[in-house]
Amino acid sequence: EPEVTQTPSHQVTQMGQEVILRCVPISNHLYFYWYRQILGQKVEFLVSFYNNEISEKSEIFDDQFSVERPDGSNFTLKIRSTKLEDSAMYFCASRGSAAAEAFFGQGTRLTVV
Amino acid sequence: GENVEQHPSTLSVQEGDSAVIKCTYSDSASNYFPWYKQELGKGPQLIIDIRSNVGEKKDQRIAVTLNKTAKHFSLHITETQPEDSAVYFCAASLFNKFYFGSGTKLNVKP
Repeated sequence: EPEVTQTPSHQVTQMGQEVILRCVPISNHLYFYWYRQILGQKVEFLVSFYNNEISEKSEIFDDQFSVERPDGSNFTLKIRSTKLEDSAMYFCASRGSAAAEAFFGQGTRLTVV
Repeated sequence: GENVEQHPSTLSVQEGDSAVIKCTYSDSASNYFPWYKQELGKGPQLIIDIRSNVGEKKDQRIAVTLNKTAKHFSLHITETQPEDSAVYFCAASLFNKFYFGSGTKLNVKP
């Protein structure tokens, strides 16, 4: 069964450092998403990406965040200067169409110290 | 935007009993309602979904009901088993974006 894969599974970084979280969506999917889940809280929408551009972003997704699809298979989330409050599980998801079900990756646990 | 409320936050049932988790949503334009199961250390896994043109959907021991007028939808798990223990999230999809409920931690006691 096709799946969304994310690397690394766990990343520890110092405050102020840049991190890149990587995702390989299901091939032939067209819609890509990043969500985050702070421990014990809701899964929150960060950004959606379609046709090589951001289609929507939340208020959480400020100038410190960026996304990229560099090579047609990977989908990355970059946090330029991490803050303690960026510590969370980050989930990537993809969909074949806007109306189709979304498949989530297993997540990257980001710990900012 | 959409606001999804989910209850209860924790639910403990005896193996073999039924479990019901309820969600409400605020935006009547939401048209797709998936339920996800999240096991420890894993990402959300879709277990069942329902679209706004359907009132009920069943898949073996799992069923989902949708009341568009009242803007609520529910997950029903019958004959619960210990492996059903996990966190369950409801979601509402509006304009290509998912809004999640806060999650229900289901504990099935053997």
